[in-house]
Amino acid sequence: EPEVTQTPSHQVTQMGQEVILRCVPISNHLYFYWYRQILGQKVEFLVSFYNNEISEKSEIFDDQFSVERPDGSNFTLKIRSTKLEDSAMYFCASRESPTANTEAFFGQGTRLTVV
Amino acid sequence: AQSVTQLGSHVSVSEGALVLLRCNYSSSVPPYLFWYVQYPNQGLQLLLKYTTGATLVKGINGFEAEFKKSETSFHLTKPSAHMSDAAEYFCAVSGPGANSKLTFGKGITLSVRP
Repeated sequence: EPEVTQTPSHQVTQMGQEVILRCVPISNHLYFYWYRQILGQKVEFLVSFYNNEISEKSEIFDDQFSVERPDGSNFTLKIRSTKLEDSAMYFCASRESPTANTEAFFGQGTRLTVV
Repeated sequence: AQSVTQLGSHVSVSEGALVLLRCNYSSSVPPYLFWYVQYPNQGLQLLLKYTTGATLVKGINGFEAEFKKSETSFHLTKPSAHMSDAAEYFCAVSGPGANSKLTFGKGITLSVRP
């Protein structure tokens, strides 16, 4: 069964460093998302992406964050200068079509720890 | 704006007992409602969803949920818990529009006692 794959599963980084979280969406999907969950809190929407541009972003997704689909298969989330409060589980998701009644498939997540 | 409330963070039931996980939502537009499950070291998996039509929806693994507009609720139930149901469960809401994002609750951890 097709699945969304995220790498790495766990990343530890020093405050101020840049990190890139990688996702391989399902191959025929066109709509991509990043969500995050800080420990003990809700899963929060970060950004949606379609046709090589951001469709929508939350207030969390500030200038420190960027997304890219560099090669037609990977979908990356970059955090330029990590802060302690960026420590969270980051989930990538993809959808075949944008309509809300189609299933969003999620990856297993990347746990980012900023020290 | 939309929001989801999942009261409590942990529910523990005995194997064979009824599972009831509560979810209440707030939405200014007709809601689409979802339950996701996350097993350890795995991604979020869709259990079931309500979009339109029948308000009682059935999902995988014997789970079902009922959309009650008057109560703004979408509680998840399973008549008889199994050990394999131990996981974290997330309720989510979205609007009906194209490319609608999901708004999640905090999640509830379900433990099943032998």
